[in-house]
Amino acid sequence: NAGVTQTPKFQVLKTGQSMTLQCAQDMNHNSMYWYRQDPGMGLRLIYYSASEGTTDKGEVPNGYNVSRLNKREFSLRLESAAPSQTSVYFCASSEQNRIGEKLFFGSGTQLSVL
Amino acid sequence: AQSVTQLGSHVSVSEGALVLLRCNYSSSVPPYLFWYVQYPNQGLQLLLKYTSAATLVKGINGFEAEFKKSETSFHLTKPSAHMSDAAEYFCAVSDQDSGYSTLTFGKGTMLLVSP
Repeated sequence: NAGVTQTPKFQVLKTGQSMTLQCAQDMNHNSMYWYRQDPGMGLRLIYYSASEGTTDKGEVPNGYNVSRLNKREFSLRLESAAPSQTSVYFCASSEQNRIGEKLFFGSGTQLSVL
Repeated sequence: AQSVTQLGSHVSVSEGALVLLRCNYSSSVPPYLFWYVQYPNQGLQLLLKYTSAATLVKGINGFEAEFKKSETSFHLTKPSAHMSDAAEYFCAVSDQDSGYSTLTFGKGTMLLVSP
């Protein structure tokens, strides 16, 4: 059982380049999330999808777009990468979007923007 | 919005010593609180969660946390540290706004365990 799978694991971009981070879960979960992790900042929510067909902004959405492709997949796109987007990105999923729900995390994508 | 504050970005203990990681929350309603652990180069895993059923919550790997409303605290403890406990620990609170729920994390505490 793979759980939450993220690709790629590492990526280096030049300023202004674009890329898409992929995330897929095999637990039949309804809700999916993208977080970024920066030293001393903890994890901050970028976007989430409470259910297939819906997406909403989190705490730090600027510079990002998302697509809930289907129930399994939730991608994060950087249209024009900036050095401030250098971070570790985590995708997560939960059975439902409701208070007190447990999140399951992928192993992360380490992104460097030069 | 609800929030959590973790006191101490780094905590160092000796193997066999008590582990105490501090978390205080800010909430106007009874909170749902979590502790997650992140081992090096891995994603986060749930250690335990508080959902008001009991104030003392037991989690995996011998960890437990006590919810204290009077102190707005949810500190994580383990009686005896193992080398394998070295990791980063995150306290989190579940929040709800406009019908949607999100998880807000503290800044994390790195636990260092020495022989």
